[in-house]
Amino acid sequence: DVKVTQSSRYLVKRTGEKVFLECVQDMDHENMFWYRQDPGLGLRLIYFSYDVKMKEKGDIPEGYSVSREKKERFSLILESASTNQTSMYLCASSFIRPSGANVLTFGAGSRLTVL
Amino acid sequence: DAKTTQPNSMESNEEEPVHLPCNHSTISGTDYIHWYRQLPSQGPEYVIHGLTSNVNNRMASLAIAEDRKSSTLILHRATLRDAAVYYCILRDSESYNTDKLIFGTGTRLQVFP
Repeated sequence: DVKVTQSSRYLVKRTGEKVFLECVQDMDHENMFWYRQDPGLGLRLIYFSYDVKMKEKGDIPEGYSVSREKKERFSLILESASTNQTSMYLCASSFIRPSGANVLTFGAGSRLTVL
Repeated sequence: DAKTTQPNSMESNEEEPVHLPCNHSTISGTDYIHWYRQLPSQGPEYVIHGLTSNVNNRMASLAIAEDRKSSTLILHRATLRDAAVYYCILRDSESYNTDKLIFGTGTRLQVFP
């Protein structure tokens, strides 16, 4: 069964720590995405990547960076974690197709708490 | 980006049909309509998508209004496992490399035994 795997389901970090959230997909997808999900706000796009070493800002990139050194792996980095980055983080991937028929496959999520 | 509007919550009894509405009055001719759902403690999962014609798959049916300004996701017989948040999303077919989906807050479906 194809899937998107997020390395940690639950993390607890302290303010100011550097945090790495890892995501790996085994579907040879070109596109990868990081979203965060907060109550009442739905899913918001942080960053996405459509190729190795390529990245594009989403709607809320401030305080985050990403790394895509290999096609299957997309990392989200919080350089200095803050309490307002406490959230559920969701990784997703998809193929590139010249139509609107692309389907995203999501990971199970990583719940980050910053104290 | 074109936006969608969904009710915050809906309720259904088990084994009854459920019709989840979505309004998208600013939809463009190239926007596909996608539906995802998110079960408790899981990431969203794809349900169905369509452009103009009604669509059926093993999970659900998608009914699209003739003017495309609204659509309805139909679960033919709700089960307790269908309790989830359902998201209606527009996907621009012309955004070739930027396959980002804009999620709203969705409709929380409760299913009662």
